[in-house]
Amino acid sequence: DAKTTQPTSMDCAEGRAANLPCNHSTISGNEYVYWYRQIHSQGPQYIIHGLKNNETNEMASLIITEDRKSSTLILPHATLRDTAVYYCIVRLTSGTYKYIFGTGTRLKVLA
Amino acid sequence: DTGVSQDPRHKITKRGQNVTFRCDPISEHNRLYWYRQTLGQGPEFLTYFQNEAQLEKSRLLSDRFSAERPKGSFSTLEIQRTEQGDSAMYLCASSPLGTGVLYGYTFGSGTRLTVV
Repeated sequence: DAKTTQPTSMDCAEGRAANLPCNHSTISGNEYVYWYRQIHSQGPQYIIHGLKNNETNEMASLIITEDRKSSTLILPHATLRDTAVYYCIVRLTSGTYKYIFGTGTRLKVLA
Repeated sequence: DTGVSQDPRHKITKRGQNVTFRCDPISEHNRLYWYRQTLGQGPEFLTYFQNEAQLEKSRLLSDRFSAERPKGSFSTLEIQRTEQGDSAMYLCASSPLGTGVLYGYTFGSGTRLTVV
């Protein structure tokens, strides 16, 4: 599976949009981009995933560049409860279904 | 169904003892995964079941570790002769069968193991 690169940490003011970048320059055509987050002492929580097109759900938006080498997770109006570690993962569309997690981005939402 | 359940939430054991953890996945989910997470790191894949079949095991899963999923429902992860390096959070996750890429996993809250 392709490796991803994320900033170690980010801060965001409450109520503002949080934009979390991820670099996956070696991604192949049959790999999806997934985002999970992990709030302290809990298991990771699925947020969103995509292949080529931008995606939006009730939690977040995912913007994938045209060359698919990077993506951005957007939390439109961050709240204190969004403080967590955010993981960007790429995964094949077939074969093993396991994820290879990196160390993620620690997002701190400030009051 | 309230999600993926793991039991116990916390376990403290002496080095050399055996421990067993249980995971109850979401009932209609055929796929079940075990991960291990140490402090400051992302979760690491241990093993994967589809129904009762164990289809993949990581090299992290030494011969002291064994996982089962009898009847394709709940799963157990046993660690024999525990070592201090086994101290970690053990996470279980499940997902539906079908086109796997269309679904994210649902993780449990984990079992935190401390070996003293």
